Parts: sequence; C-alpha cells; structure tokens
Amino acid sequence: EPEVTQTPSHQVTQMGQEVILRCVPISNHLYFYWYRQILGQKVEFLVSFYNNEISEKSEIFDDQFSVERPDGSNFTLKIRSTKLEDSAMYFCASSEVGTGDQPQHFGDGTRLSIL
Amino acid sequence: GESVGLHLPTLSVQEGDNSIINCAYSNSASDYFIWYKQESGKGPQFIIDIRSNMDKRQGQRVTVLLNKTVKHLSLQIAATQPGDSAVYFCAEPSGGYQKVTFGTGTKLQVIP
Repeated sequence: EPEVTQTPSHQVTQMGQEVILRCVPISNHLYFYWYRQILGQKVEFLVSFYNNEISEKSEIFDDQFSVERPDGSNFTLKIRSTKLEDSAMYFCASSEVGTGDQPQHFGDGTRLSIL
Repeated sequence: GESVGLHLPTLSVQEGDNSIINCAYSNSASDYFIWYKQESGKGPQFIIDIRSNMDKRQGQRVTVLLNKTVKHLSLQIAATQPGDSAVYFCAEPSGGYQKVTFGTGTKLQVIP
C-alpha cells in the first residue's frame, strides 16, 4: 500500500539554526499538509498546500515557517530560526482530494529536538 | 466553535473482548468523521471514516457508529488484540476542509 515517507526520523538542531524536514507524499495525491505533536499533546494542524501554494495555515505557522514542493515528489517544511518550543514530532500528510471527501494519510513523522 | 473530544483518556480491555471508544463533537454541521490509530513512535494511521448520511459503517473488525442527534461517534473493535494497543483519535475536517482537527485521544490498553 502506498505510504507517506518522511526523513529524517530524528533531527537534533541547535537553537537558532535552520532545519528542513522532508516528506514524500503518496504519488497521486494533490493536497499536502504538515502537523505537529508536542509530547503528550494533541496533533495540531500547521499548514495545507495545494496547487503550489498555501491554502490554509494555523497561528502556529508564523514567518519562521515555510513550505515548498521543490519537485514533483518532495514536500518540505523549513523552520528558519528554531526555538526550544519547536521541539515536537512533525507529521506530513497527503490526500487525493480535499479532506471533506477523503482521509488524509500520515507519515511516521520526524522527531525534532532543539537544544 | 468546532471541537472534537473524547470521553475517556484510557481504556483497558481484556484480549479477545470488544472495545468501544467514544467521541463527542460539537458542530452539528459536521458531515465527515475519521478515526485514526496512533501507535507509539508512529504517525496517525487511518482506520475508518463515515459520512453524516450514514449511521454505521463496518470495516475489518471495526465498526463506527454515528448518532447525529446527540453528536456522538463510537469506534467498536471486535475481538481486541494486543496489536490494537494504541491511542485512538476521532477527527473531522474543519476550516475550509483543508485541515483535520484531532481530539485528545483515548489510549487503548489490551490486557493479555
């Protein structure tokens, strides 16, 4: 069964450094998402991306965050200057159509640890 | 506003018994619901979904029931197995259908 893959599985970064989290969505999917989960808390929406532009973003997704689909297969989340509170699991998801009709499928996440 | 919540944070079930995980929602206009399972160290895994024009939907060993009158969902797992141990989330699209809002989750513990 096709799946969403994320790399790396664990990223350790010094505070203030830039980090790029990578995702390969399911190949025929058109909608892409990033979520995060702070340890012991709910999964929180960050951003959705369709047709090469952001379609929706949350309050968490401030100017330090950006997303990109640099080619036909990858989808990236960049945090420009990491803060301690950015430490979390980051999940990428994709869906074939908008989420009102089909579920989003998630990767296994990247654990981001900010020192 | 929209919210999705769960009645119990932890549910312990004997192996082989049936499990029932409950979920309440507040938005009466919600028309699509999704159950996810999250095992330790993994991402949410899609289990089953249901649209509001249905009361019940069955999958392999799982059944989702939707009661629109009281805005309540339940996930039933038949013959619960140790591999079912995980956190279960009900979720619904929100905003412009571009995001999924997750509840806090119910941790299912299967006792061998």
